[in-house]
Amino acid sequence: SQTIHQWPATLVQPVGSPLSLECTVEGTSNPNLYWYRQAAGRGLQLLFYSIGIDQISSEVPQNLSASRPQDRQFILSSKKLLLSDSGFYLCAWSWPPGGYTFGSGTRLTVV
Amino acid sequence: GESVGLHLPTLSVQEGDNSIINCAYSNSASDYFIWYKQESGKGPQFIIDIRSNMDKRQGQRVTVLLNKTVKHLSLQIAATQPGDSAVYFCAESAPSGGSYIPTFGRGTSLIVHP
Repeated sequence: SQTIHQWPATLVQPVGSPLSLECTVEGTSNPNLYWYRQAAGRGLQLLFYSIGIDQISSEVPQNLSASRPQDRQFILSSKKLLLSDSGFYLCAWSWPPGGYTFGSGTRLTVV
Repeated sequence: GESVGLHLPTLSVQEGDNSIINCAYSNSASDYFIWYKQESGKGPQFIIDIRSNMDKRQGQRVTVLLNKTVKHLSLQIAATQPGDSAVYFCAESAPSGGSYIPTFGRGTSLIVHP
């Protein structure tokens, strides 16, 4: 069966520090992968999606970047975090005909 | 697709009552719909799905109803329990160039009082 792993679960980082969130998927090959951000009490905002290795599409221009160095690995990064980067980050992979399976999420607090 | 903006509507019910959560979708080409449950601090979990060739689908204590005429989706939870307290949101998917990128609803916060 397919599983998705996302870590860390929580992270407190100072402003200006770098960020690296990792997501891996098991049990499937060539998945479409996504990074979403969810502000408290709000909906899901699509940040990046990837249809293959080194193929990244950005939905929202911002202080973040994404990379996909391996088929089942998706990484969300920042060189210098801003206070506004705080939020709940979710990784997901999609399966036909349009379903998503989400990771457990990372709560990022920038202080 | 994405859904951002206003704070979430809330539905408060008593334990044992039936709950109905509604969702209006926008794309008439959407042919697949999912309801997700998201507990505080966790990722959304798949509850139930329905394809556009159906108007009703039942799971364990949950039923999804689809009205394509008015582009409306609802989730019914029977005998609601405190463990059902969470944010529920719908997602619609339409085919686009061989892939699907779903659009998520804003979500409804369900609060179950014991």
